[in-house]
Amino acid sequence: EIVMTQSPATLSVSPGERATLSCRASQSVSSNLAWYQQKPGQAPRLLFYGASIRATGIPARFSGSGSGTEFTLTISSLQSEDFAVYYCQQYNNWPLWTFGQGTKVEIK
Amino acid sequence: QLQLQESGPGLVKPSETLSLTCTVSGGSITTSTYYWGWIRQPPGKGLEWIGSIYYSGSTYYSPSLKSRVTISVDTSKNQFSLKLSSVTAADTAVYFCARHGRSSYDSSAYPADYWGQGTLVTVSS
Repeated sequence: EIVMTQSPATLSVSPGERATLSCRASQSVSSNLAWYQQKPGQAPRLLFYGASIRATGIPARFSGSGSGTEFTLTISSLQSEDFAVYYCQQYNNWPLWTFGQGTKVEIK
Repeated sequence: QLQLQESGPGLVKPSETLSLTCTVSGGSITTSTYYWGWIRQPPGKGLEWIGSIYYSGSTYYSPSLKSRVTISVDTSKNQFSLKLSSVTAADTAVYFCARHGRSSYDSSAYPADYWGQGTLVTVSS
């Protein structure tokens, strides 16, 4: 099983600042990496697939990068609606999906 | 607009079988380019993929749950279902159904782009 490790567990950021979230895979997943955003009481929302391809309707302030085992999600200027939990997910090893444990982005 | 809606009991007794159904509206479950999956999230914790199904009936399960999970599809009702047997308190979670893409080239899967709102299932006597 491919283990996905996200860091940090919690990120405290002020509105307008930049946030950088990391995701590491225990073995290469090529570019088969997705990012999701989840707000309390809601289902996850797909942000990126293919490590860097924005899903429909995702603002340009979000960007994804990386390949192999190291991935980054960057929010260039945090808006109030961006405070949430973010999960990475590998889908390279189908039929076995694994998710990271999540990074909570909170208001500083 | 595609919508998915989970339904089923919110309380299940230990050792019994959890049963949930996902009703898909605004699109056909028989579309060849999609799988239909179940993902769960224990309270305050992360996401765990349970398994997925193709409209033809082909199923894919998480190895950690495979011995207890059955996913089925009813194309006439545009629904797919989850059964999880011999439940314990550790199976208490919000259960989500979701649609995710399927490669026509090699049948590999893409991430989930549409999700149901989720339903909390509590295992307790």
